Amino acid sequence: GQQLNQSPQSMFIQEGEDVSMNCTSSSIFNTWLWYKQDPGEGPVLLIALYKAGELTSNGRLTAQFGITRKDSFLNISASIPSDVGIYFCAGQYFGNEKLTFGTGTRLTIIP
Amino acid sequence: DGGITQSPKYLFRKEGQNVTLSCEQNLNHDAMYWYRQDPGQGLRLIYYSQIVNDFQKGDIAEGYSVSREKKESFPLTVTSAQKNPTAFYLCASSPVEANYGYTFGSGTRLTVV
Repeated sequence: GQQLNQSPQSMFIQEGEDVSMNCTSSSIFNTWLWYKQDPGEGPVLLIALYKAGELTSNGRLTAQFGITRKDSFLNISASIPSDVGIYFCAGQYFGNEKLTFGTGTRLTIIP
Repeated sequence: DGGITQSPKYLFRKEGQNVTLSCEQNLNHDAMYWYRQDPGQGLRLIYYSQIVNDFQKGDIAEGYSVSREKKESFPLTVTSAQKNPTAFYLCASSPVEANYGYTFGSGTRLTVV
C-alpha cells in the first residue's frame, strides 16, 4: 500500500529550537491529519486540516494544508523535552476511505 | 470515558504458538483497524473492518487472522505461520467516515521467545 513521504526521517535538535517537517503525496487529499506517538504508546491526533491552504494551530504546533492538496507541513515552536517522539502525517481523499499514513519523523532533543 | 483498550501491553510467545491480541472500544465506532509497527518503521495495515461480521485484508495480512463478531471488539490472532511476529501492534477505530481521524489504542508489544 501507499505510504506518504515524510521529511526529514529524523531530527536531532536542542531544547528551544523550532522544528519543521513536511509530508508529500503523489495523490491529492481532502483531509490531512498530524499525529504524535510517544515511545511505547499509540499515536495521538494533534491537528486536522480540511481545506487547501488552511493554517491551523494547537498551542506551539502549527500545521498547513498545502495549496496543491498533495502536501502538508507541521511546525513546532520552542521545542521542549516532551515533544520527543514520532510524528506521523495521514491523508484521506474520500470520507469513507482508509487513512494513508506517512513514514514518520522521529524527533530527538539533545540535552 | 470513551476509548479503545488493547490488552495485554506486553506478550511473550513461544515459536509455533498462536496468540490473540485483544482490542475493545466503547466509542461506538463502526470501523476498526490493526497495524504493525517495527522498530524505526511506520505503520503497516494488517486487517480492517468497517462493519460487524465483515473484514478485509490490509497490506501484510499473511500469518494473521481476525474476527468481528461484535461492534466493540476486533481481536487479532498472530498464527504460527507469521514468520517474524515480534513487533508492536496497534489497534485503532473510527467512524466509517474517517476524516476526523482514527483513535488508537496504547499498543501491545509481542515478543517471540
